[in-house]
Amino acid sequence: DARVTQTPRDKVTEMGQEVTMRCQPILGHNTVFWYRQTMMQGLELLAYFRNRAPLDDSGMPKDRFSAEMPDATLATLKIQPSEPRDSAVYFCASAFSGQPQHFGDGTRLSIL
Amino acid sequence: RKEVEQDPGPFNVPEGATVAFNCTYSNSASQSFFWYRQDCRKEPKLLMSVYSSGNEDGRFTAQLNRASQYISLLIRDSKLSDSATYLCVVSDRPGLVFGAGTILRVKS
Repeated sequence: DARVTQTPRDKVTEMGQEVTMRCQPILGHNTVFWYRQTMMQGLELLAYFRNRAPLDDSGMPKDRFSAEMPDATLATLKIQPSEPRDSAVYFCASAFSGQPQHFGDGTRLSIL
Repeated sequence: RKEVEQDPGPFNVPEGATVAFNCTYSNSASQSFFWYRQDCRKEPKLLMSVYSSGNEDGRFTAQLNRASQYISLLIRDSKLSDSATYLCVVSDRPGLVFGAGTILRVKS
């Protein structure tokens, strides 16, 4: 069964540090999404790419967050500098043009 | 006001019970509608898409009322394994908008 792969599974670091989260979408999927889940806000869309081009990053704090797709098999989400309020579970999802999205296991991020 | 509103629950029901969840959405331009299921400390998984004509998948029935901007999910003959958080999801673009979720606990 094809799956979206996210690394790391868990990350604990101190505020001010750079955090990089990686996602390998399902082979053949052309759309990649980044979501964040917190107890207070629930699941929120941060950004998404289609055919590696960023289409919408309006949900992402621009000053410290950046998302890229260096190639079709890798999406990255970076936070620099990280802050305690960034603590959340970050999910990557992929889909093929309008088909249902498949989610990865998530990266559980704790910023101390 | 949140774009997708759900009763957070929890709904505590015995095995075999029928349980219904509702949600409302505010964006009349929404085109796609789904129910996702999320288990504790796991990723959301698609349970079913929701269509205006209503659709059924085994013990699960979903309905959409576009005029009232209202979505429902009915679970018949609840199983212990149905215990999870059920997320109402809408979209007018590729990215999804999630409700906060409704917690279901099925007890023996």
